[in-house]
Amino acid sequence: DAMVIQNPRYQVTQFGKPVTLSCSQTLNHNVMYWYQQKSSQAPKLLFHYYDKDFNNEADTPDNFQSRRPNTSFCFLDIRSPGLGDAAMYLCATSRPGLAETKNIQYFGAGTRLSVL
Amino acid sequence: QKEVEQDPGPLSVPEGAIVSLNCTYSNSAFQYFMWYRQYSRKGPELLMYTYSSGNKEDGRFTAQVDKSSKYISLFIRDSQPSDSATYLCAMTTFTGGFKTIFGAGTRLFVKA
Repeated sequence: DAMVIQNPRYQVTQFGKPVTLSCSQTLNHNVMYWYQQKSSQAPKLLFHYYDKDFNNEADTPDNFQSRRPNTSFCFLDIRSPGLGDAAMYLCATSRPGLAETKNIQYFGAGTRLSVL
Repeated sequence: QKEVEQDPGPLSVPEGAIVSLNCTYSNSAFQYFMWYRQYSRKGPELLMYTYSSGNKEDGRFTAQVDKSSKYISLFIRDSQPSDSATYLCAMTTFTGGFKTIFGAGTRLFVKA
């Protein structure tokens, strides 16, 4: 089945130790998103790629970076994780085409990050 | 004031009850409205999607949009324990750039 796959499902890192989360998709969607979701909060958009064009949200800390080497893969790099970065990180994709369907986002299962 | 407001709950109902979940919003430019279901420790999955005002039905689920009141609802008929999850509303505008905003979610428990 076509889907959005995130690895790992759970990641434990130490304070200040760089960590990379990965996302792959078999939907051939041209837009990929990274969200941060803390307990009982709405997903917060960090950035998105429209094809190769990178779009950073204004309030995304510089500590967060992203790479998209090809259509199928996207990575979230946290350069120096702090305790406040412990959260669920969600990857999503959206399909190209008509405006009506462009905004429907399909999510992966998420990576739960713990910072010790 | 948040652009999208959603009662966090929790909402607890007996099996078979009709559930009503709601969101209000402040930006009249929102045009597309979605409901996502999120099980514990999982990613959100799309349930319903509507454009502009009106109703849309899919099985036990009905999505309702009232743009004049800036109010959207999701109704679940004959609720089941498997419906226990967090329900997130989301809405999109293309005015001034593409933007999707999520509500914080309402946690629903359906008791057997």
